[in-house]
Amino acid sequence: GAVVSQHPSWVICKSGTSVKIECRSLDFQATTMFWYRQFPKQSLMLMATSNEGSKATYEQGVEKDKFLINHASLTLSTLTVTSAHPEDSSFYICSARLGQPQHFGDGTRLSIL
Amino acid sequence: SQQGEEDPQALSIQEGENATMNCSYKTSINNLQWYRQNSGRGLVHLILIRSNEREKHSGRLRVTLDTSKKSSSLLITASRAADTASYFCATDKVPGGTSYGKLTFGQGTILTVHP
Repeated sequence: GAVVSQHPSWVICKSGTSVKIECRSLDFQATTMFWYRQFPKQSLMLMATSNEGSKATYEQGVEKDKFLINHASLTLSTLTVTSAHPEDSSFYICSARLGQPQHFGDGTRLSIL
Repeated sequence: SQQGEEDPQALSIQEGENATMNCSYKTSINNLQWYRQNSGRGLVHLILIRSNEREKHSGRLRVTLDTSKKSSSLLITASRAADTASYFCATDKVPGGTSYGKLTFGQGTILTVHP
């Protein structure tokens, strides 16, 4: 089946650091990838839609300058949390579409000290 | 904002019992999907039911969809301890809208199956 790899799985860093998370579709090409954020015991909240070769589309309330998305190839999208602060600590999950359904990565737990 | 509402929020049962989770949504959909999430992990797709389908089976899973009531249910029969996880419904909007292709997730049901 379709596999999506997300890296790193866990990051701990100091406040003010920028953190990059990678999302790769391993065995298929994905023109569209999605980035979600999930707080403990809560549901997934869509942050943005990443489109290969064009600018990402951000959901309302998500700061595009804070969460930089780059989708440079059909198999890789990156999310960079710039100048991260403790309130950015969360579980970030990506997904990629190859028709239906979406295929999800294993998530990245980000902890900002 | 999350469109889907799920109930119950938490369900605790014994191994061998059936588990039923419900999901309601507010707008017209193209399809509805159920996902499973083990603690601290990503989502695993379980089953997709299209808006013109009423029932679908996959192994021990049975999903129903009632578009008139805008609701769906997931039934897991003969549950096992390994079924312990969070279960989410997600709706995919109708084609042509700006939200097409974006999944909207319900709040989820935390299922605990005791051995």
